[in-house]
Amino acid sequence: AAGVIQSPRHLIKEKRETATLKCYPIPRHDTVYWYQQGPGQDPQFLISFYEKMQSDKGSIPDRFSAQQFSDYHSELNMSSLELGDSALYFCASSVSETTNEKLFFGSGTQLSVL
Amino acid sequence: AQSVTQLGSHVSVSEGALVLLRCNYSSSVPPYLFWYVQYPNQGLQLLLKYTTGATLVKGINGFEAEFKKSETSFHLTKPSAHMSDAAEYFCAVRFGGYQKVTFGTGTKLQVIP
Repeated sequence: AAGVIQSPRHLIKEKRETATLKCYPIPRHDTVYWYQQGPGQDPQFLISFYEKMQSDKGSIPDRFSAQQFSDYHSELNMSSLELGDSALYFCASSVSETTNEKLFFGSGTQLSVL
Repeated sequence: AQSVTQLGSHVSVSEGALVLLRCNYSSSVPPYLFWYVQYPNQGLQLLLKYTTGATLVKGINGFEAEFKKSETSFHLTKPSAHMSDAAEYFCAVRFGGYQKVTFGTGTKLQVIP
């Protein structure tokens, strides 16, 4: 069965650079969530989208933005990268058309800011 | 291999009854254990976590969990279910410092009036 696909798996950037992370949800899933997990930290919810509209917002810095496209994939754009942005970023997708919403997680993008 | 298993993808309890959601892990190193809750159309919310120290951990909304190393378990309980507890619950485990969290497949809790 198809799973949530994230790309790239690993990304190395320098301070003040920009980065774009991509998430491809499971087919027919219309909701995407982004999470950030810093070294030794719990995963923190960043933002979510439902039907291409932002549905919830967590601890996402102003330097970050995200969107969901017509094919339901989502991109997380990160600008003016800081050392503290080094973390594992993973997304999850779900079908929200019913109350039986179940999250499926991707394997994550490991971002290292040097 | 390190993994986490949640027994039962759906659990139904009557309002006021005991809630028990099961989680077992497999690990060769001491794990950090978590329970997350997700309400419809929302992100994950941390209920409680175990890192070190007391094995009985109390979380938000009256939930608690006990780390039992001998049973490699971290079951979530609540003495009396409330309608507002209806949600999906994820057990998660982290091994080491810079390791991603491994989530269980989730257990959807239904509370029957």
